[in-house]
Amino acid sequence: QSALTQPASVSGSPGQSITISCTGSSSDVGGYNLVSWYQHHPGKAPKLIIYEVTKRPSGVSDRFSGSKSGNTASLTISGLQAEDEADYHCCSHAGSFTYVFGTGTKVTVL
Amino acid sequence: QVQLQESGPGLVKPSETLSLTCDVSGGSVSRYYWSWIRQSPGKGLEWIGYIYDGGSTNYNPSLKSRVTMSVDTSKNQFSLKLTSVTAADTAVYYCARGAPGYSSGYWGQGTLVTISS
Repeated sequence: QSALTQPASVSGSPGQSITISCTGSSSDVGGYNLVSWYQHHPGKAPKLIIYEVTKRPSGVSDRFSGSKSGNTASLTISGLQAEDEADYHCCSHAGSFTYVFGTGTKVTVL
Repeated sequence: QVQLQESGPGLVKPSETLSLTCDVSGGSVSRYYWSWIRQSPGKGLEWIGYIYDGGSTNYNPSLKSRVTMSVDTSKNQFSLKLTSVTAADTAVYYCARGAPGYSSGYWGQGTLVTISS
């Protein structure tokens, strides 16, 4: 069970859109529509922003959207804001009721 | 509002057992899955496993031989034990309600556990 691959860092200017990829295999990302994304500000608890690939929990901004193609899931943040600067982690069901997280991506707002 | 709070020693010696507890307030520990997740310095999150209040568990295969989780409904808390720890187990440990991706989940603030002699 290897960690899902995410870019180490992604940056963008306020108002821009950025996309974070999360690449796994047919045993995890590609095999289940159970990919979730967490936003994590240092020192705080991670916050769920996307679940089941595309769904947003109540209260999460619609600037966050998720998608999946094959073994790669993606998180898009549109209208980038200063408060979006954080670490982002993807997670996927990996069969046999187990889960695997991604390597994490640091988003910087320029 | 459900709140979770991790507690336990912040320093554990190599080869010993790491023991953490997660106190649940504002809701019952019954009828939910409860997870442990950790983040080692400079790395991503790592799912350790989860337990259902009935006692059924699922663990990360890479940690399975060293992990034990339990639920104490009388104290409204659940626990993690990780045996034979090494420096690689140094991490911030989080407890959470539900499996990863659970839309009604809650997380604790996390507790740093350092493995060092």
